[in-house]
Amino acid sequence: RKEVEQDPGPFNVPEGATVAFNCTYSNSASQSFFWYRQDCRKEPKLLMSVYSSGNEDGRFTAQLNRASQYISLLIRDSKLSDSATYLCVVGTGTASKLTFGTGTRLQVTL
Amino acid sequence: NAGVMQNPRHLVRRRGQEARLRCSPMKGHSHVYWYRQLPEEGLKFMVYLQKENIIDESGMPKERFSAEFPKEGPSILRIQQVVRGDSAAYFCASSPSAFEAFFGQGTRLTVV
Repeated sequence: RKEVEQDPGPFNVPEGATVAFNCTYSNSASQSFFWYRQDCRKEPKLLMSVYSSGNEDGRFTAQLNRASQYISLLIRDSKLSDSATYLCVVGTGTASKLTFGTGTRLQVTL
Repeated sequence: NAGVMQNPRHLVRRRGQEARLRCSPMKGHSHVYWYRQLPEEGLKFMVYLQKENIIDESGMPKERFSAEFPKEGPSILRIQQVVRGDSAAYFCASSPSAFEAFFGQGTRLTVV
């Protein structure tokens, strides 16, 4: 089983739609969780950290469910500029190695 | 504060040559990660280093690949005797605290 699993997609949604991505992780000792965004042929950029209480940043909401070992990202009112690959990232262990999922591709269309 | 700097941005090597990829972390960051991304694939962890120490190299191929992060200077990812399958984008990330990481723009290695 992969350490971090994501549905690769692509998710094709119209502008204005709400879309949700899930990510599961295998190591129950994982301590830190993030969503990154990667545009084609560019470096990944931190979108948001994920906290146990859940957190929101504008149109983006991230949730963590430790019992079920999954993380979610909700994007409301999708924009064309949201088209990208969204990477789920989990930090594990005292050395806090970051493990990346393979990403979920989102394509927002007119 | 400059971001994570990687150089070169593009590197072309013939089969059998050596490739050296450099990564200068953000100021104050002592944790460095290297990742490889093959075309149309996700990021794969290679190695995690702190100053002068390799913390986790579980993602590094056993042969031809090595990494270092000396006390002074950038982190270096070295690939000896490159083969076509080494062609990929290599990303470096740095972190101040072994949590959220910030990425460089990557080095695109092409082996011809």
